[in-house]
Amino acid sequence: AQSVTQPDIHITVSEGASLELRCNYSYGATPYLFWYVQSPGQGLQLLLKYFSGDTLVQGIKGFEAEFKRSQSSFNLRKPSVHWSDAAEYFCAVGSPSSGGYNKLIFGAGTRLAVHP
Amino acid sequence: DTGVSQNPRHKITKRGQNVTFRCDPISEHNRLYWYRQTLGQGPEFLTYFQNEAQLEKSRLLSDRFSAERPKGSFSTLEIQRTEQGDSAMYLCASGVLQETQYFGPGTRLLVL
Repeated sequence: AQSVTQPDIHITVSEGASLELRCNYSYGATPYLFWYVQSPGQGLQLLLKYFSGDTLVQGIKGFEAEFKRSQSSFNLRKPSVHWSDAAEYFCAVGSPSSGGYNKLIFGAGTRLAVHP
Repeated sequence: DTGVSQNPRHKITKRGQNVTFRCDPISEHNRLYWYRQTLGQGPEFLTYFQNEAQLEKSRLLSDRFSAERPKGSFSTLEIQRTEQGDSAMYLCASGVLQETQYFGPGTRLLVL
């Protein structure tokens, strides 16, 4: 069965510093991979996704992620964090089905705090 | 594109009562998903529909839970005889095959 691990429960960075959030997945073939962000009391917003092709994907709000098959990782990065980036970040993998994927399997999330 | 909407946004109920939540997906999306999120956890899959057909249900979805999508548009999730363990955020998402799932704002349920 697929699973997603986000090793860091909480991360605190200073505004303007770089950020990397870790995500490891367990799945044999090339997975459908996602990063979502959730602000307090809100639904989830898609930051970026990887289905195939170039392993470095660009997303919204200046985020990017790199798919590394050898490490089963899909880490999220941002070169300079803004105070508005404080939120909870979820990595997810799509459970494969005929023609694509259906349900999403999420990690437990990483809560990001940003110091001024 | 008005996005996925969910109603109500908040619901407080007493243990043993029934509750029903509604999800209105993005209009052209034929897939609709329900997830549950408890405090400090990632969302967990409950069930999904393709058009009006319910194609998969999680083992998390006990007999007290039922979901419908009668005309392939909006969906309802009903919980009968609520328990305190049902307190959670219930998230709805919609999409099309193999494409992004777009999430609604969620319905937060508190069972007293």
